[in-house]
Amino acid sequence: AQKITQTQPGMFVQEKEAVTLDCTYDTSDPSYGLFWYKQPSSGEMIFLIYQGSYDQQNATEGRYSLNFQKARKSANLVISASQLGDSAMYFCAMREPPIQGAQKLVFGQGTRLTINP
Amino acid sequence: GAGVSQSPSNKVTEKGKDVELRCDPISGHTALYWYRQSLGQGLEFLIYFQGNSAPDKSGLPSDRFSAERTGGSVSTLTIQRTQQEDSAVYLCASSLGNWVETQYFGPGTRLLVL
Repeated sequence: AQKITQTQPGMFVQEKEAVTLDCTYDTSDPSYGLFWYKQPSSGEMIFLIYQGSYDQQNATEGRYSLNFQKARKSANLVISASQLGDSAMYFCAMREPPIQGAQKLVFGQGTRLTINP
Repeated sequence: GAGVSQSPSNKVTEKGKDVELRCDPISGHTALYWYRQSLGQGLEFLIYFQGNSAPDKSGLPSDRFSAERTGGSVSTLTIQRTQQEDSAVYLCASSLGNWVETQYFGPGTRLLVL
């Protein structure tokens, strides 16, 4: 079963507009962490934002915020006032409590965001 | 401070040859991970090291893949008898070790097997 689902393979947005990238997840464990990473064309995975399952507030980091809806198992990334440099692949990832030492991140398929001038 | 570094950044090899990929984690990070990013499979976990504990090798795709971590720092991922399907970007990440800690990634090694 797919643990992380990103339903938008590609998105095109005008510069300065806000954009929401969708992410839904599947887990039966009450304790988990959700991450968003940005991967520009250079290839490096850049950490953007983290949300813990017990966090009461939605996470925010500058222009990035996470719309965490626990009951719906969704963790959408919101980028406010988009910039040309935001053009990249964006990955949602989940980490569940370790079982027998496993601490891997499970990634979605990614969304390619293109910001148009 | 310095981030995760990986070398080489690009590697082209012939089918059947062995390759070694290197990862130098962020200083002080006790946990180190290897992932593979390929077109057909997305991002896949390969192996995880935590301190002096036995590594979690559950993601290694075959016995041609192995990894070691010397002195709790630098790690080497070795692929023996490379196949064309091994062509991918190999990403290394490190974290402070607690499972909730953020993993920080290196720039990756792009491997092309001809």
